[in-house]
Amino acid sequence: RKEVEQDPGPFNVPEGATVAFNCTYSNSASQSFFWYRQDCRKEPKLLMSVYSSGNEDGRFTAQLNRASQYISLLIRDSKLSDSATYLCVVNDPSGTYKYIFGTGTRLKVLA
Amino acid sequence: GAVVSQHPSWVICKSGTSVKIECRSLDFQATTMFWYRQFPKQSLMLMATSNEGSKATYEQGVEKDKFLINHASLTLSTLTVTSAHPEDSSFYICSARDSGPQPQHFGDGTRLSIL
Repeated sequence: RKEVEQDPGPFNVPEGATVAFNCTYSNSASQSFFWYRQDCRKEPKLLMSVYSSGNEDGRFTAQLNRASQYISLLIRDSKLSDSATYLCVVNDPSGTYKYIFGTGTRLKVLA
Repeated sequence: GAVVSQHPSWVICKSGTSVKIECRSLDFQATTMFWYRQFPKQSLMLMATSNEGSKATYEQGVEKDKFLINHASLTLSTLTVTSAHPEDSSFYICSARDSGPQPQHFGDGTRLSIL
């Protein structure tokens, strides 16, 4: 079983749609969780950290369920510019601050 | 937001050449820097973790004599790919983080092509 699992997609959605991505992680000792987006041939960019209470940043909402070891990202009112690969990232609980990456979920927003 | 600069962004060179890539944190002191490589359609693969003033910690399977890492200051780390060969062609990305439970911020990557 992979340490961080994501559906690779692609998710093809029309502009304006709401889309949700899910991610599960295997190590219950992980403490920090993030969503990054990566455009083709570019570096990952931090989208948002994920907190236990859930957090929202504009059209983006992240949720964490520690009991189920499950993280989600909801994008409302999708824009063409949201097309990218979304990486679910979990910290390595060994204390080294290393990241464990999911394989990423590809999103294509269609006009 | 935090800015990490990576240079050069693109390198094309002959087999046998050594290539140095720089990673700088521009607006914060990077306690830890990380070096990754990424092949097309694959996830980032961590190569090594670098703490300022100490030797880098390499991941299993990464040759430390091949990929030399220097982290001489809190704002600069360098990766030197020594005697590069075509199989070293990849997208190399650094990241940096401040102290405490801070996220990593990535440099804009270096696309290395060895002919």
